Amino acid sequence: GIQVEQSPPDLILQEGANSTLRCNFSDSVNNLQWFHQNPWGQLINLFYIPSGTKQNGRLSATTVATERYSLLYISSSQTTDSGVYFCAVEPKGGSEKLVFGKGTKLTVNP
Amino acid sequence: GAGVSQTPSNKVTEKGKYVELRCDPISGHTALYWYRQSLGQGPEFLIYFQGTGAADDSGLPNDRFFAVRPEGSVSTLKIQRTERGDSAVYLCASSLRGAMINEQFFGPGTRLTVL
Repeated sequence: GIQVEQSPPDLILQEGANSTLRCNFSDSVNNLQWFHQNPWGQLINLFYIPSGTKQNGRLSATTVATERYSLLYISSSQTTDSGVYFCAVEPKGGSEKLVFGKGTKLTVNP
Repeated sequence: GAGVSQTPSNKVTEKGKYVELRCDPISGHTALYWYRQSLGQGPEFLIYFQGTGAADDSGLPNDRFFAVRPEGSVSTLKIQRTERGDSAVYLCASSLRGAMINEQFFGPGTRLTVL
């Protein structure tokens, strides 16, 4: 099945710093989503981005489907950005299930 | 409610017991998914419903796991003869299937602990 790899696995930042999280996937996809899992375990939708670039406030994402990767940019990080960021893909030609990476654990220190 | 809801939020049971976990999807969403998340891992797919029928149950680990969605809305995940290895957070998601759009929205999860 499709493989989804996220890097880095862990990231520690000072408040105000910028960061880039990466998601590589091994096969063609219909759909790609980025989620933030907060300390209470809730998965919060950040982006639905099978291709192209989107921005939402301090966050933006770019997916290059032909090269099988996606990037999540976080600018001017805040302590509330802490948590685990997941990339999830819907493989092309399969059912509509999402396949998740192992996540990037982000810690933003004040 | 506006989002996906799941009950109970926590469930503690003893090995060998039967449990039911409930999911209420976002109103009008036709697709419903169950995932399981173990500590330190990403969620893993269990089963997907389109309407009342299970369109893909390939993620169910064994025949102790079963899920239903009799009226095409609420779904129940049922686990028989629970084992300690079943301990995890069980997540439900729903989506509005449309042309080329399948954004999934997740509930808060049920944390299952099998003693």
